[in-house]
Amino acid sequence: DAGITQSPRHKVTETGTPVTLRCHQTENHRYMYWYRQDPGHGLRLIHYSYGVKDTDKGEVSDGYSVSRSKTEDFLLTLESATSSQTSVYFCAISARTSGLHNEQFFGPGTRLTVL
Amino acid sequence: GDSVTQMEGPVTLSEEAFLTINCTYTATGYPSLFWYVQYPGEGLQLLLKATKADDKGSNKGFEATYRKETTSFHLEKGSVQVSDSAVYFCALSGASGGSYIPTFGRGTSLIVHP
Repeated sequence: DAGITQSPRHKVTETGTPVTLRCHQTENHRYMYWYRQDPGHGLRLIHYSYGVKDTDKGEVSDGYSVSRSKTEDFLLTLESATSSQTSVYFCAISARTSGLHNEQFFGPGTRLTVL
Repeated sequence: GDSVTQMEGPVTLSEEAFLTINCTYTATGYPSLFWYVQYPGEGLQLLLKATKADDKGSNKGFEATYRKETTSFHLEKGSVQVSDSAVYFCALSGASGGSYIPTFGRGTSLIVHP
């Protein structure tokens, strides 16, 4: 199994509070991603990183920010949590292999509830 | 842009039945194609992949063939087990531009009854 962990695994918070989710990898992979998974929507990309300090927005980035100061860590921050951000959050990593065969490895997920 | 379309679920089967989950895609260039599986309470994990036309990916009794002429990558298994109950995602990556941003289908839930 790819060495990828997420913390916390579960969190309950209140509307308006800041929340930071952490993704940690031991694979030294270049690319890291944050997704959210909601019923009826499948997986939706929030932000991704293609190197240390190199990040970009995905399709649902509003209300989220990210940082990557080290290869192994990718942080997702909800500056002021809202109930619409209640979801399961997955981190994923991938390596740029020969050609474009960049399969992803996923973390176990963080279940976030915003009351 | 790129897109992946999967059949709606849930798919409900009896144990030992034949499984097909349809997946079609739209992409420019020559993407790689993937099937991921998600068991309850877990993250997605790669089930199989194919990187060029006519390639067949296989793993744990599941198979899928990369059909460029029909832009399809249907997942099949000859005899499903209760333990195959999960959500299956078809995905592509490596199409022209944004090659490290995969495109996922919405997932198909499979329920296998004893």
